[in-house]
Amino acid sequence: NAGVTQTPKFQVLKTGQSMTLQCAQDMNHEYMSWYRQDPGMGLRLIHYSVGAGITDQGEVPNGYNVSRSTTEDFPLRLLSAAPSQTSVYFCASSYSGQGAQNTEAFFGQGTRLTVV
Amino acid sequence: AQKITQTQPGMFVQEKEAVTLDCTYDTSDPSYGLFWYKQPSSGEMIFLIYQGSYDQQNATEGRYSLNFQKARKSANLVISASQLGDSAMYFCAMREEQGAQKLVFGQGTRLTINP
Repeated sequence: NAGVTQTPKFQVLKTGQSMTLQCAQDMNHEYMSWYRQDPGMGLRLIHYSVGAGITDQGEVPNGYNVSRSTTEDFPLRLLSAAPSQTSVYFCASSYSGQGAQNTEAFFGQGTRLTVV
Repeated sequence: AQKITQTQPGMFVQEKEAVTLDCTYDTSDPSYGLFWYKQPSSGEMIFLIYQGSYDQQNATEGRYSLNFQKARKSANLVISASQLGDSAMYFCAMREEQGAQKLVFGQGTRLTINP
């Protein structure tokens, strides 16, 4: 049971570099999302998608891009990394049909990103 | 807009005692779900328990129960007979039926169980 797979687990970037965090799920979930976790701030929503070809901004979207070409994959791109983007990133997926508010989200293992 | 508030940054409890972690929420959507997740030091997010806004009874899952007080907009997590392995961060979260069904989190509570 793979669930939600996130890669890489750890990454160090230099300021100004770009990179893509990968996220894939095998549960046929329409809803996928990216969060960042910073101390004392919980998990904040960066971008989300309600299905292939549909994405939208969350609470903290600046500096990040997403696309959703397939149901399974939802990559997060950092365009020009900044030290303020040092954080732990989580990808999540969940059911999004009727009654979806009553179903839990499944999370990847997280990516610890450091920007120096 | 939906909002979750956890007012306890840290909690310290003796092993085998019960502990209550507070969570209040704000929403104008009559249909919503409330969730608790555990994050141990290893970092993964573990789903613990769920409560629906229309559920008449409080949710229970083993040693976890959810004290749901709809009128007060609170959804406190109760852990009975705490164990050392319960030491972790705990997050309360909410998902509305409307609003693209986004899952919104509180700031979290770090629970430490002392032997």
